[in-house]
Amino acid sequence: KNEVEQSPQNLTAQEGEFITINCSYSVGISALHWLQQHPGGGIVSLFMLSSGKKKHGRLIATINIQEKHSSLHITASHPRDSAVYICAVPGGGADGLTFGKGTHLIIQP
Amino acid sequence: NAGVTQTPKFQVLKTGQSMTLQCAQDMNHEYMSWYRQDPGMGLRLIHYSVGAGITDQGEVPNGYNVSRSTTEDFPLRLLSAAPSQTSVYFCASSRTLGQLNGYEQYFGPGTRLTVT
Repeated sequence: KNEVEQSPQNLTAQEGEFITINCSYSVGISALHWLQQHPGGGIVSLFMLSSGKKKHGRLIATINIQEKHSSLHITASHPRDSAVYICAVPGGGADGLTFGKGTHLIIQP
Repeated sequence: NAGVTQTPKFQVLKTGQSMTLQCAQDMNHEYMSWYRQDPGMGLRLIHYSVGAGITDQGEVPNGYNVSRSTTEDFPLRLLSAAPSQTSVYFCASSRTLGQLNGYEQYFGPGTRLTVT
């Protein structure tokens, strides 16, 4: 079973700061997912990436397949970015995912 | 296009009661799954289905049953609820993007279940 570790578990930052969330996994994969869970509970897929880097607006995700590591960056952070960010990798049967415990991010104005 | 829908949003059960959590998707996805989310733990896979008539167990299947009679619906049944099943339950469906590109997952809004 793939073990997924995220760091930090909790992060509080000021508006405008550059944010980095890290994810490492134990078994080689074909693609890695970054998800966002807002305080209301809904889960949204942010990125799925298998190599290199992807960018959506102020969010950037990178992955190093050889090192089994991925990072999620947020530039010019804003209070609306406050959420739990979850890293997930394939596992658990067919299209099932194995999830990290999440990083709880709070951006203060 | 409603995406993935779940009902109910909240439910309180007494120990030993049974109930069904409903999940439906209108994206014609073959793959559907149920996860539970507990404090301090990542989401864990309960059951999944790769198509109508085909289901299989995930990481934590005990106490739950599923069936998949149509592509759209994937209900989760609790046969005899226990306090350990107090959790938030998420249904998801996924779209394959090809063997090399993986798949994209869509989540329902969740059902918050309390068993007393």
